[in-house]
Amino acid sequence: AQKITQTQPGMFVQEKEAVTLDCTYDTSDQSYGLFWYKQPSSGEMIFLIYQGSYDEQNATEGRYSLNFQKARKSANLVISASQLGDSAMYFCAMRLSGGTSYGKLTFGQGTILTVHP
Amino acid sequence: DVKVTQSSRYLVKRTGEKVFLECVQDMDHENMFWYRQDPGLGLRLIYFSYDVKMKEKGDIPEGYSVSREKKERFSLILESASTNQTSMYLCASSLTGYSYEQYFGPGTRLTVT
Repeated sequence: AQKITQTQPGMFVQEKEAVTLDCTYDTSDQSYGLFWYKQPSSGEMIFLIYQGSYDEQNATEGRYSLNFQKARKSANLVISASQLGDSAMYFCAMRLSGGTSYGKLTFGQGTILTVHP
Repeated sequence: DVKVTQSSRYLVKRTGEKVFLECVQDMDHENMFWYRQDPGLGLRLIYFSYDVKMKEKGDIPEGYSVSREKKERFSLILESASTNQTSMYLCASSLTGYSYEQYFGPGTRLTVT
């Protein structure tokens, strides 16, 4: 069975600094997608970035980049130039292909990021 | 823009009541999902549906059932609410395929007293 692990319950970063949120995953499938979501205190889940298992380059979306190391089964989120509005819960998730998975997402436990001014 | 709406943001029910949580999406997505979110546990999948009238159990289906009579609507039913079902419930929808993200509703915070 697939599993996502986020080992950092909470992280602190100074405004304008970069921060890395850790995510490791476990699956025996070859085809899968990795996602990061942001959940502010208001509760909505906001999709940030996606990395496919066959993508050779790390995904980037604005200030977000995904440090994908397939052999180590890690998919860390890097946020550059942190802003106060980045304070939120961040979830890493994995989605398998095919079979009866129908695109189910498996989530990690989440990391609470606090950005200090 | 994809929109996923949920019938209530906050709900308070009594133990033993039957509870309906409704979710509607407007983007013709095949797949719909119900999760519950609890501190320290992340999001856990309760049920999902890949087509009208089709449903599959997720990781924690006990005490829940679902209904999908129309493609855009997916209902979560707590047959007899219990205090351990107090939680945040999130609905999501997506296209089929592992590269597609799921779109989430705003969540329903359910309290069972």
